[in-house]
Amino acid sequence: AQSVTQPDIHITVSEGASLELRCNYSYGATPYLFWYVQSPGQGLQLLLKYFSGDTLVQGIKGFEAEFKRSQSSFNLRKPSVHWSDAAEYFCAVGNDYKLSFGAGTTVTVRA
Amino acid sequence: GAVVSQHPSRVICKSGTSVKIECRSLDFQATTMFWYRQFPKKSLMLMATSNEGSKATYEQGVEKDKFLINHASLTLSTLTVTSAHPEDSSFYICSALLAGGPDTQYFGPGTRLTVL
Repeated sequence: AQSVTQPDIHITVSEGASLELRCNYSYGATPYLFWYVQSPGQGLQLLLKYFSGDTLVQGIKGFEAEFKRSQSSFNLRKPSVHWSDAAEYFCAVGNDYKLSFGAGTTVTVRA
Repeated sequence: GAVVSQHPSRVICKSGTSVKIECRSLDFQATTMFWYRQFPKKSLMLMATSNEGSKATYEQGVEKDKFLINHASLTLSTLTVTSAHPEDSSFYICSALLAGGPDTQYFGPGTRLTVL
């Protein structure tokens, strides 16, 4: 069975500082991995995805993520956070078209 | 591209009534759509997989007679919450699968259902 763990429930970061969100997955084969962002009361927006190839994936809004098979991780990073990045972030692993989501990490940005 | 809409964005209904939520893929065809339920401060729970022209596949513990899903066309899936009760109040989100190459789900903006 596939599963996703996001160890950090809530992260507070200063505007302009760097951000890293952790994601660990459990899956028997090569996973399809995703990061989604959800603003309050909204649906999910795809930030980036990994299927194969280069393990460093670039996404929208200046985000990137690195797939590390040895660590079963797919951490999300952004070098300089903007106030608009305050949101809920979900990591997901996919198989047979289905997605399993982590519990999410809430990001708060302070001025 | 890959835009998914939902209607309505929010709905309030009385207990015992039925509510229909529409999910549309606006700029692509989706043979497969998904319905999720999200509780406050919680992750998304997959309710069912909706396949165009066939019966939906429900996840364990989801009442198929309570949550009726119809996927009548390649761009439209509907979720009907029948005889709604306050415990059905939730945020319902649909997604559409963009096929061809690595499959990716694109999500709608969600529907907030409140049952009084």
